[in-house]
Amino acid sequence: AQSVTQLDSQVPVFEEAPVELRCNYSSSVSVYLFWYVQYPNQGLQLLLKYLSGSTLVKGINGFEAEFNKSQTSFHLRKPSVHISDTAEYFCAFLFQREGGSNYKLTFGKGTLLTVNP
Amino acid sequence: EAQVTQNPRYLITVTGKKLTVTCSQNMNHEYMSWYRQDPGLGLRQIYYSMNVEVTDKGDVPEGYKVSRKEKRNFPLILESPSPNQTSLYFCASSFSTRPSGEAFFGQGTRLTVV
Repeated sequence: AQSVTQLDSQVPVFEEAPVELRCNYSSSVSVYLFWYVQYPNQGLQLLLKYLSGSTLVKGINGFEAEFNKSQTSFHLRKPSVHISDTAEYFCAFLFQREGGSNYKLTFGKGTLLTVNP
Repeated sequence: EAQVTQNPRYLITVTGKKLTVTCSQNMNHEYMSWYRQDPGLGLRQIYYSMNVEVTDKGDVPEGYKVSRKEKRNFPLILESPSPNQTSLYFCASSFSTRPSGEAFFGQGTRLTVV
């Protein structure tokens, strides 16, 4: 079965510290991985995605993620966070439905990143 | 501006009173879907639509209906809302479901059923 797991429900950090939000997936087929961010009282916004090619992908707002096939992980990182990065972050996995030609986007349960001064 | 628009943003209703949450996109996207977001559960798909007049169930379709009569609109209908449908709802659209098709999300509708 296809699934995506976010290992931390909450991550508190101080401003200017580095952060890593962890995401693991389980799949027997090709993987397409995404990170979305949800700021308070807003919808989800795409941060970055891995479809193929280079395993290190860069996104908006200084975030990057590395696809590690052997560890089935897609962790999100930022070297120095700001107060404005406080938000909920969702890892998502796109996989092809059984017997179908369309794909389904499955989300992890989310990680709340709180950046403190 | 490319966007997905949901209305209303906030809604409080009583058990059993039918309601509709509207969703409209201006990007000519074929694929649209509805999610509900609950604390600790992330986003779960309710229904999706591959194109006009083509809809299918997601992971948690019970108690919901949808329709897709026009490409731009994908309303979510709760015929007889119950308190367990209190949640934050998101509509999303994309050009296709293929990996290159980025999903765009609406601002969300916070529904409370009392």
